[in-house]
Amino acid sequence: DTGVSQDPRHKITKRGQNVTFRCDPISEHNRLYWYRQTLGQGPEFLTYFQNEAQLEKSRLLSDRFSAERPKGSFSTLEIQRTEQGDSAMYLCASSSGQGGNTIYFGEGSWLTVV
Amino acid sequence: QKEVEQNSGPLSVPEGAIASLNCTYSDRGSQSFFWYRQYSGKSPELIMSIYSNGDKEDGRFTAQLNKASQYVSLLIRDSQPSDSATYLCAVMGARYGNKLVFGAGTILRVKS
Repeated sequence: DTGVSQDPRHKITKRGQNVTFRCDPISEHNRLYWYRQTLGQGPEFLTYFQNEAQLEKSRLLSDRFSAERPKGSFSTLEIQRTEQGDSAMYLCASSSGQGGNTIYFGEGSWLTVV
Repeated sequence: QKEVEQNSGPLSVPEGAIASLNCTYSDRGSQSFFWYRQYSGKSPELIMSIYSNGDKEDGRFTAQLNKASQYVSLLIRDSQPSDSATYLCAVMGARYGNKLVFGAGTILRVKS
C-alpha cells in the first residue's frame, strides 16, 4: 500500500505568481484533506473532500485558494496571486473514513514565496 | 482558549528515561484522539490513536485518555535520541466534523 504522495515537494515562486500542488491519496481512501503548517505551529485545516465532493472549507481560507478532486482520486490545491504569507508547508492527508477515521499524511509540499 | 493545548517545551529527558507529554482539549464531545510525531522539516507521522478512557500501549509508547478531565497524554519509555522530535496532539469530534484539530506541538529532546 503506497502512502500519500505529494508533488512538487518544494516550490519557490515570486510574489503574485500562481502555484498548484498535487496530491495522490492512499488508494481506496475516499476522504482527502489539505492542511497548512507554518514554523512552530500545528497543522491548520484548509479543506476536505469525500470522494469528489468538497464538504468543508476553512473560513480562514482566502478566495485565492481553490482545491479540486475531479474524479474522487487525486486532488489539486491552487494558490493564485501568491503572497509572502503563503509560505508554508502544505500537507495532504487521506483516510478511509472507517474504524476511527485514522488520517495519514503525505510528505508535504514546501512553498516559499519571494 | 485554544481547542487543543500543549506545552511547547522543549521537554528535555536523558536517554533511557520516561518522557511524558500532555495535551488538553476544550470540546467535551471529542471522540477520537491521536498522537503524531514530526521530525524537523518532515510531515507528521501517526504514532498512536485512542478512543476510550484508560491506557493503550504499543511498544515503548503508552497513550492515556481521561475524558472527564479532558486530557490525553503520551508516555515514551526508554527514550532514545531518535525520539527527539515535535509531538502533535490531535482531536476529532462532532464539533469539528471529520477533520483533525491539532495542538501546536511539544518539542522533545532526548539527551544521550
